Amino acid sequence: AQSVTQPDIHITVSEGASLELRCNYSYGATPYLFWYVQSPGQGLQLLLKYFSGDTLVQGIKGFEAEFKRSQSSFNLRKPSVHWSDAAEYFCAVAPMDSSYKLIFGSGTRLLVRP
Amino acid sequence: DVKVTQSSRYLVKRTGEKVFLECVQDMDHENMFWYRQDPGLGLRLIYFSYDVKMKEKGDIPEGYSVSREKKERFSLILESASTNQTSMYLCAAKGEGMGNQPQHFGDGTRLSIL
Repeated sequence: AQSVTQPDIHITVSEGASLELRCNYSYGATPYLFWYVQSPGQGLQLLLKYFSGDTLVQGIKGFEAEFKRSQSSFNLRKPSVHWSDAAEYFCAVAPMDSSYKLIFGSGTRLLVRP
Repeated sequence: DVKVTQSSRYLVKRTGEKVFLECVQDMDHENMFWYRQDPGLGLRLIYFSYDVKMKEKGDIPEGYSVSREKKERFSLILESASTNQTSMYLCAAKGEGMGNQPQHFGDGTRLSIL
């Protein structure tokens, strides 16, 4: 079955430190890949997406993600975290053979230490 | 940018009531979705609609129905609310095309059933 795994439920980093959030997917072919962020009490905002081509994609708010086919991973990174980045982050995959389905991971909550 | 508006941010209802959650999008998108979000479970798809008056069940449709009489509006209906339907509900809209079109989310409705 198709699935998305975010192995870290919580991550705490200090402000200014680098960040990497992990995402692994299980799917027969390369799906479309997304990262969303959810601030407290808000809906989900799209950070970035990967469809094909360059495996390093840039998103909003200084985030980037790298697609690694051999590891079925799509990890999110940021070189220097700001206090306003504290939120919950969701990885999602959309199978290439479906117009509708979007499968979400269970999310990683990021806490930022001053 | 796509604007997805959910009519209520917070809603409190009683067991057995019929509850309507409303969602409106302003970008003429064909596809609209209803999810519920629970801690540790990520987002789970309840129903989606790919055109006016067309609907498909998602992964957890039991206890819910939907209505799409106009392209811009997608309503989620709890026919007889129960306490286990207390949750955050998120509406999303997506343009035509395969999975490479991202879904755009509203701010959510936090529903409490007493």
